[in-house]
Amino acid sequence: EAQVTQNPRYLITVTGKKLTVTCSQNMNHEYMSWYRQDPGLGLRQIYYSMNVEVTDKGDVPEGYKVSRKEKRNFPLILESPSPNQTSLYFCASSLVPPLGTQHFGDGTRLSIL
Amino acid sequence: KQEVTQIPAALSVPEGENLVLNCSFTDSAIYNLQWFRQDPGKGLTSLLLIQSSQREQTSGRLNASLDKSSGRSTLYIAASQPGDSATYLCAFYGRGSSNTGKLIFGQGTTLQVKP
Repeated sequence: EAQVTQNPRYLITVTGKKLTVTCSQNMNHEYMSWYRQDPGLGLRQIYYSMNVEVTDKGDVPEGYKVSRKEKRNFPLILESPSPNQTSLYFCASSLVPPLGTQHFGDGTRLSIL
Repeated sequence: KQEVTQIPAALSVPEGENLVLNCSFTDSAIYNLQWFRQDPGKGLTSLLLIQSSQREQTSGRLNASLDKSSGRSTLYIAASQPGDSATYLCAFYGRGSSNTGKLIFGQGTTLQVKP
């Protein structure tokens, strides 16, 4: 089954404790992206990757890092999480834009205390 | 700057009604338009994709239309069911955003279908 898998689905942690949210896709897509969704602000792009070893900033990259060492994986790293990063995070993948539709993971709900 | 408006923000209908959700955008230079469904606390599921050269797409009880010249897309849901209750989002690649793969999303319409 074609899918985008995120882990963990839920995480409560404390300020400053490094965390990684993993994202993996099995559709051999070149493109992957991270979004965060907040009430009243909609979905905002954090980082994206057009292919292996190619990453770039989206609209709200501050406080986040990513890497793309393999085509299927695109982890999101919060080196020193802060409460303003409490949000619902989505990973997505697709063929090189604007081809095809973006496939989204089920989301990761992060709470930073 | 591209602006996207979805009207209404929320909608409650009795089961069996046909309904229309609206999405309007300010810049007609879009590559394609997608409609997504989001269930509470869940990810986005793609419903329909309309290429910029197309006028409409159909899938089951869903029909989406695109009128670039007027900056509008509609999602028509026939014979609504309680299982259709969700938030519906329109999204597209606008001018320049295809270079980043960033979908430009509307704020969504939250639909409740009552039994």
